[in-house]
Amino acid sequence: AQSVTQLGSHVSVSEGALVLLRCNYSSSVPPYLFWYVQYPNQGLQLLLKYTTGATLVKGINGFEAEFKKSETSFHLTKPSAHMSDAAEYFCAVVGVGFGNEKLTFGTGTRLTIIP
Amino acid sequence: DTAVSQTPKYLVTQMGNDKSIKCEQNLGHDTMYWYKQDSKKFLKIMFSYNNKELIINETVPNRFSPKSPDKAHLNLHINSLELGDSAVYFCASRGTSLRETQYFGPGTRLLVL
Repeated sequence: AQSVTQLGSHVSVSEGALVLLRCNYSSSVPPYLFWYVQYPNQGLQLLLKYTTGATLVKGINGFEAEFKKSETSFHLTKPSAHMSDAAEYFCAVVGVGFGNEKLTFGTGTRLTIIP
Repeated sequence: DTAVSQTPKYLVTQMGNDKSIKCEQNLGHDTMYWYKQDSKKFLKIMFSYNNKELIINETVPNRFSPKSPDKAHLNLHINSLELGDSAVYFCASRGTSLRETQYFGPGTRLLVL
């Protein structure tokens, strides 16, 4: 079975500061990893994903994440926060193997941007 | 041009009633899902269908019954609604491979009184 841990249910950063949202995963098979964003009263939208290949992946709105197998991590970063980044962020994993074919979400991190 | 749509967007009802939520996707995907998001924003998969066939059925009360009339539609019927069913329900769809993105609908906010 796979699982995801997001450290910090709430993160606040100043506008223009670095955004770092942490995600660690557990999977017995090679994982596919995703970051989704949920704006208030909306559905989830994909920010970026790692499946194979380059471990540093770039997504929409200036976000990027690095897959580190040795640390079982997939942290999300953005160099300079913008007010429009305020939202709930979810890390998710799907294990590639029989019985694991479902997306398992972390508990989410609410990002607040301080003007 | 909405990719995954759900109706209704809001649903307020009394305990014990039966209600349905409809989902349609125009992405040509074979796989569709229902998720439940509770008040703490925790997302949990409920069901998954692939080409109208039930693939995943998590430990969901049998008051919840999904129905897929064709691969573009996945509806959720809930019998005998309880207070604890109050949540946001999301439909999603995905293409053939697990590496593909799941596209989510806007959600249906269900409030049981």
